[in-house]
Amino acid sequence: SQQGEEDPQALSIQEGENATMNCSYKTSINNLQWYRQNSGRGLVHLILIRSNEREKHSGRLRVTLDTSKKSSSLLITASRAADTASYFCATDARETSGSRLTFGEGTQLTVNP
Amino acid sequence: DTGVSQDPRHKITKRGQNVTFRCDPISEHNRLYWYRQTLGQGPEFLTYFQNEAQLEKSRLLSDRFSAERPKGSFSTLEIQRTEQGDSAMYLCASSLSIAGGNNEQFFGPGTRLTVL
Repeated sequence: SQQGEEDPQALSIQEGENATMNCSYKTSINNLQWYRQNSGRGLVHLILIRSNEREKHSGRLRVTLDTSKKSSSLLITASRAADTASYFCATDARETSGSRLTFGEGTQLTVNP
Repeated sequence: DTGVSQDPRHKITKRGQNVTFRCDPISEHNRLYWYRQTLGQGPEFLTYFQNEAQLEKSRLLSDRFSAERPKGSFSTLEIQRTEQGDSAMYLCASSLSIAGGNNEQFFGPGTRLTVL
């Protein structure tokens, strides 16, 4: 079963608005990663945040991590139509370090032009 | 193109047939992973290799599934006696495992399997 859970499952916004997606997980982690997937395609790595980090930025992306709540959020600022995709969080669990990533079910983001 | 490649991109087969997929990882990556993804779900781990050694297999990997990475480079995933429930996207990923590394995995475009 999937460990991670994304919230919301679907999000529809207008171009220029910010999009926030949340992810919860259950075990101790080394890091948490966010991926994007365009329909029918492979996954593209967006950003990684280590367990000892609380916030990280990359361009229009901002990721936060709260290990006490076992949750993370991904913020996309000034969204564009090209940001339309599914977004997944994936955890690298401490007990399986370096092997499997455990993915959530994803948030489908639609950015309307 | 120096990314992860997978072949074929699409495969349609009849129930009961065997299928084989290939994955070519990023050349310097020593770890290779297989995941399966069904519609509307996130990828689920199947198995992974470090060099040519298969180090972990998920319980999702029934005895009809076998994966190999004979020379520590490309990998194949074979499904024998396919069932309709095997229809999914099969994703391959690779990573460079180093001390203190992050296990950042790079994914290929996937092979879409449809079992009729």
